[in-house]
Amino acid sequence: SQTIHQWPATLVQPVGSPLSLECTVEGTSNPNLYWYRQAAGRGLQLLFYSVGIGQISSEVPQNLSASRPQDRQFILSSKKLLLSDSGFYLCAWRGQSNNQPQHFGDGTRLSIL
Amino acid sequence: GNSVTQMEGPVTLSEEAFLTINCTYTATGYPSLFWYVQYPGEGLQLLLKATKADDKGSNKGFEATYRKETTSFHLEKGSVQVSDSAVYFCALQVNTGNQFYFGTGTSLTVIP
Repeated sequence: SQTIHQWPATLVQPVGSPLSLECTVEGTSNPNLYWYRQAAGRGLQLLFYSVGIGQISSEVPQNLSASRPQDRQFILSSKKLLLSDSGFYLCAWRGQSNNQPQHFGDGTRLSIL
Repeated sequence: GNSVTQMEGPVTLSEEAFLTINCTYTATGYPSLFWYVQYPGEGLQLLLKATKADDKGSNKGFEATYRKETTSFHLEKGSVQVSDSAVYFCALQVNTGNQFYFGTGTSLTVIP
């Protein structure tokens, strides 16, 4: 069966520090991969998605970036965090076939001080 | 364009009450429709889905019917439990695209 792993589960970082969140998927190949951010009590904001290695689509301008160095690995990064980057970050994967649902990781709670 | 509109929350119900959470959509193609549930501090879990008109998705006592004529996918449960307290998200995916479109979520609290 397929599984998705996100880490760390929680992270507290000072303003201006770098960020690296990692997401890996097991049990499937060539998945679509997604990064979302969820502010407290709010809905989901799509940040990036990827349909293959090295292919990244960005949905909103921001100081975050994403990379997909391997088929089942998706990394969210920042060189200098802002207070507004605080939130709950969710990674998701989806199979390439039509009508497939997205499957989510457990999320990373990021607090910026 | 593509979008999902959910009823505003929060919703508070007594245990064993009937639940309806409304969801309507607009789509440029032929969407698949989904309901996800998010428990506090966790990621989203797929609750049910429907991929074509008149399909009924069901899981754990929850049901939703894909109504093309009213562009709706309302979530229902006949008798809610305290353990159903969570945030519920309606979502669509158009089969020509890679993106999902989520509603803003509806918070449900069930009290004993």
